[in-house]
Amino acid sequence: DTAVSQTPKYLVTQMGNDKSIKCEQNLGHDTMYWYKQDSKKFLKIMFSYNNKELIINETVPNRFSPKSPDKAHLNLHINSLELGDSAVYFCASSQRPSGSGETQYFGPGTRLLVL
Amino acid sequence: DQQVKQNSPSLSVQEGRISILNCDYTNSMFDYFLWYKKYPAEGPTFLISISSIKDKNEDGRFTVFLNKSAKHLSLHIVPSQPGDSAVYFCAASGSGTYKYIFGTGTRLKVLA
Repeated sequence: DTAVSQTPKYLVTQMGNDKSIKCEQNLGHDTMYWYKQDSKKFLKIMFSYNNKELIINETVPNRFSPKSPDKAHLNLHINSLELGDSAVYFCASSQRPSGSGETQYFGPGTRLLVL
Repeated sequence: DQQVKQNSPSLSVQEGRISILNCDYTNSMFDYFLWYKKYPAEGPTFLISISSIKDKNEDGRFTVFLNKSAKHLSLHIVPSQPGDSAVYFCAASGSGTYKYIFGTGTRLKVLA
């Protein structure tokens, strides 16, 4: 029973395409996140939603748009994909917004390769 | 500006010995720290955490030490086992910031 799941696991696409990555958590958590791990292995927060409301929006191009249809789901849509978008994207969730004392639980990652 | 740094990209240790992974941070407002372990092709998994009101937290073979004056934390694994071979990330957060800042990770290899 996977706690945080992501689909697809692998995504290979051409520059300029639009793609979506889906994330679901069955932990009953209120807060979900998207992270990007680039080729230098930096794991950087992109977005966070708490109870379907956006609470973190880091400096991310407008081509990236998160959508949270309900507390258990947080999807990431990427328009006009660029070579530099190639990375591993991780979804995570926590009971409440992370700060002191909240542990985040991560999905397995989606490996995106833009050609 | 990288607020959380793991200056050793890799570490090799013999099975049964102690592994010490280090992490430095620059933001004095950080008050909660965590260590995550990551195997290839998997997401990071939570290992151990420590609040800034403590200087040590222990969980089985894993102990995290926090030195606030030096803005330094370390993870001790003893005894190290081959299954501990993974990438270890430290992360830090400040109250009310709603996010963790991650280091770049240290790849630990435990040799049998």
